[in-house]
Parts: sequence; structure tokens; C-alpha cells
Amino acid sequence: LAKTTQPISMDSYEGQEVNITCSHNNIATNDYITWYQQFPSQGPRFIIQGYKTKVTNEVASLFIPADRKSSTLSLPRVSLSDTAVYYCLVGGPSFSGNTGKLIFGQGTTLQVKP
Amino acid sequence: GAVVSQHPSWVICKSGTSVKIECRSLDFQATTMFWYRQFPKQSLMLMATSNEGSKATYEQGVEKDKFLINHASLTLSTLTVTSAHPEDSSFYICSARGYLAGVGEQFFGPGTRLTVL
Repeated sequence: LAKTTQPISMDSYEGQEVNITCSHNNIATNDYITWYQQFPSQGPRFIIQGYKTKVTNEVASLFIPADRKSSTLSLPRVSLSDTAVYYCLVGGPSFSGNTGKLIFGQGTTLQVKP
Repeated sequence: GAVVSQHPSWVICKSGTSVKIECRSLDFQATTMFWYRQFPKQSLMLMATSNEGSKATYEQGVEKDKFLINHASLTLSTLTVTSAHPEDSSFYICSARGYLAGVGEQFFGPGTRLTVL
């Protein structure tokens, strides 16, 4: 499974856009990039997933360059409630024969200040 | 998204006793379930992968006789911490995915806080 590297922590202020970059130099051809959010004493929650270029949903955007060796999670106009740990993971879907297990890295602790 | 529940949400037990934690997929059939452990200020550590009807696959360093996993049905997996000790105190999280699920289609439970006195 590809190893990921993220900044340990980031600070931001309410209303700002936050970009969290993740490096995954050894990503495999059939790997997808998935981001999860975790609040204290809760299970992780799926945010967004992508394979290449750009993906956008109602909460975030995911930018993936052509070489796919990194990805950037973009959170528009963050609020205090976005304070959480954000995990970047890479892995293949089960239909490719992958077990589906996710190996979590250290994650990025985002602190949003008023 | 799909819902995964865990029971209990927290448990306190005496050292030497065994504790069972349940993980249920409420609105889909989970062919595979995963168990994680998380210590304070740390990331999730995968303990084992459990496929319905077969023995669990444990990650390196995880004692299979200490952490018994049963996945007897497509909606229920259980983790039993046997002869629990204070060092087993942790936050235990399960996740579940269905057959042919995509990568993002893995849903996590709310976690169970285990405190061993």
C-alpha cells in the first residue's frame, strides 16, 4: 500500500480557504486517493475521493496532478466546526482484487481559529 | 452514506475480564469489516480484516488470541478483548464495506471507548 505524507498540523481562520497537500510518490496505477475527516472520539468520515484531475463535491475539492504523486484537499471558507484531523489515503477498489484495507498515516490536524 | 453502528459506545471493566464489542452494518451487507485501534493523539492502527464466514486476517504484531474477531453474518462482526489489561485501554473503531465496493465506500462506526481499570 502506498505510503502518504502530510503536514502534521495547520492553522487557519474562519472564512479562509484551506489547502492540505498529501504526497504519495509510490501510488499504483489502480489506486484511488481518498480523504477522511475525524473529530475527537468519533469514527472517520468520508470527505472526497478521486483518481485524477479535479473532483468537487458539496464540502471539498480534490486536485490531483497528472503524475498523481500528490493531491491537495481544498476546503472553501472553513468554519470552527471544520477543526478536525484530515487523513489522506490511497488504495485500490475491491473489484481490482484489492483487500480494501486502509492504512492510515499520521493525518493533518487542522485548527480553525475565530 | 451507509450506517455502521457499534455497541457499546463506551465500556469500563476490571483488569482480567473480557469485553465484547459489536459492529453492525445497518443498511447494507458488509462482506468485509475492519477493526482499528486508536490511542490518544495518534492515528488509527489497523488490527485485522474480517471477511464474512472466514477467519480474520490480523496485522503484524496484533495477537489473535488476545483480540478475537468473529464475522458470522453479513451485518455483524464482534471484537472480543480477552483478559483485558490497562494497556488495552483505547478507542476501538470498526469499518465495513460491501462486495465490489469502491474505495470510498468504506463506512466507519462511531467507535467504542474501552477503559480497563
